[in-house]
Amino acid sequence: QKEVEQNSGPLSVPEGAIASLNCTYSDRGSQSFFWYRQYSGKSPELIMSIYSNGDKEDGRFTAQLNKASQYVSLLIRDSQPSDSATYLCAVASSGGSYIPTFGRGTSLIVHP
Amino acid sequence: DAMVIQNPRYQVTQFGKPVTLSCSQTLNHNVMYWYQQKSSQAPKLLFHYYDKDFNNEADTPDNFQSRRPNTSFCFLDIRSPGLGDAAMYLCATSGLGAYEQYFGPGTRLTVT
Repeated sequence: QKEVEQNSGPLSVPEGAIASLNCTYSDRGSQSFFWYRQYSGKSPELIMSIYSNGDKEDGRFTAQLNKASQYVSLLIRDSQPSDSATYLCAVASSGGSYIPTFGRGTSLIVHP
Repeated sequence: DAMVIQNPRYQVTQFGKPVTLSCSQTLNHNVMYWYQQKSSQAPKLLFHYYDKDFNNEADTPDNFQSRRPNTSFCFLDIRSPGLGDAAMYLCATSGLGAYEQYFGPGTRLTVT
């Protein structure tokens, strides 16, 4: 059973701070990692994908992957109230099923 | 813009009254998925199509059926909705060999 674990939160940070969201996964064969943002009542939106160990930056977002420790994180710099949402981590394995396993998400609240 | 479209956005049905949800895509993606998502939970995969090959998750109730008449369209039929089927239904697509999923806006189903 492949598992993806996230702290449900809420994680509350002040505007302008760095928000750090973490995700751990159980399948050592996992190769592809994704972060989706989901606003309340809306559908998930892909914001980051990462495939190799290390950091990947896109604007204010940085995804960090450590396969040895089986975790992936998302850093949001200069957090804005508009970043308040649930962030879903999804993990996929190469070979066999190409379908990612989703975590339950971490709720982020950025307060002014 | 290429996109995934779901109709209707909101659906109210009565207990036991069949309902059909639709999804269309202009991304020309081979794979289409149907998810059910309840509040504060991870999206739960119901079905997916790899081209015309239909794949049913083992724990998807028989009450749920799906059709994909062509590459662009996919339907979710709920034959006899129960109160427990009230949820957001999400359609997603992905390209051949890719794991990134692109979601439609979802259909919020209410069962009265």
